[in-house]
Amino acid sequence: AQSVTQLDSQVPVFEEAPVELRCNYSSSVSVYLFWYVQYPNQGLQLLLKYLSGSTLVESINGFEAEFNKSQTSFHLRKPSVHISDTAEYFCAVSENNAGNMLTFGGGTRLMVKP
Amino acid sequence: DADVTQTPRNRITKTGKRIMLECSQTKGHDRMYWYRQDPGLGLRLIYYSFDVKDINKGEISDGYSVSRQAQAKFSLSLESAIPNQTALYFCATSDVRVRGEQFFGPGTRLTVL
Repeated sequence: AQSVTQLDSQVPVFEEAPVELRCNYSSSVSVYLFWYVQYPNQGLQLLLKYLSGSTLVESINGFEAEFNKSQTSFHLRKPSVHISDTAEYFCAVSENNAGNMLTFGGGTRLMVKP
Repeated sequence: DADVTQTPRNRITKTGKRIMLECSQTKGHDRMYWYRQDPGLGLRLIYYSFDVKDINKGEISDGYSVSRQAQAKFSLSLESAIPNQTALYFCATSDVRVRGEQFFGPGTRLTVL
């Protein structure tokens, strides 16, 4: 069975600084990878996903993540964060034979300070 | 209007009480899910349903039951609530044709005293 580890439970950062949220996974088969974001008092929403092709994927609000198969990682990065990026971020994995089923990591709370 | 709605949004109850959390969706998706969220543990799957006649247990189904009344409605019940079921509960839906993307409701915060 697959598992997902998010190495940092909280990441405080100043506004306009770069940030990296780390995600590692384990699986015995090929996987698809996702980052979801949860803003305060809301449900989760998809931020970006890797299914195939280019290992670098981007979101519309400046985040990017790179799939690294050899290191089984899918770290999320942003070169300059805004206050509005304050949220909890969840990495998730879906095995390629598991339909839409997702396994989530424990989440990383990004706290952007002015 | 929201595509995935949950009622109630907040609920405080006592140990031993029966509780039902309801989820409705207007996205036309066949697949629906119930998760609970606990700090540091992420989201854990309780039950999922691929259509009205197909219901499956997830990772942590003990103490919970579900009912899929229609394509658009999926309810989660706690037959006899206990304090360690205090959590944030999310309903989600997905389209079988779209890999991995699930659409979440706003959540129900349940407190069991």
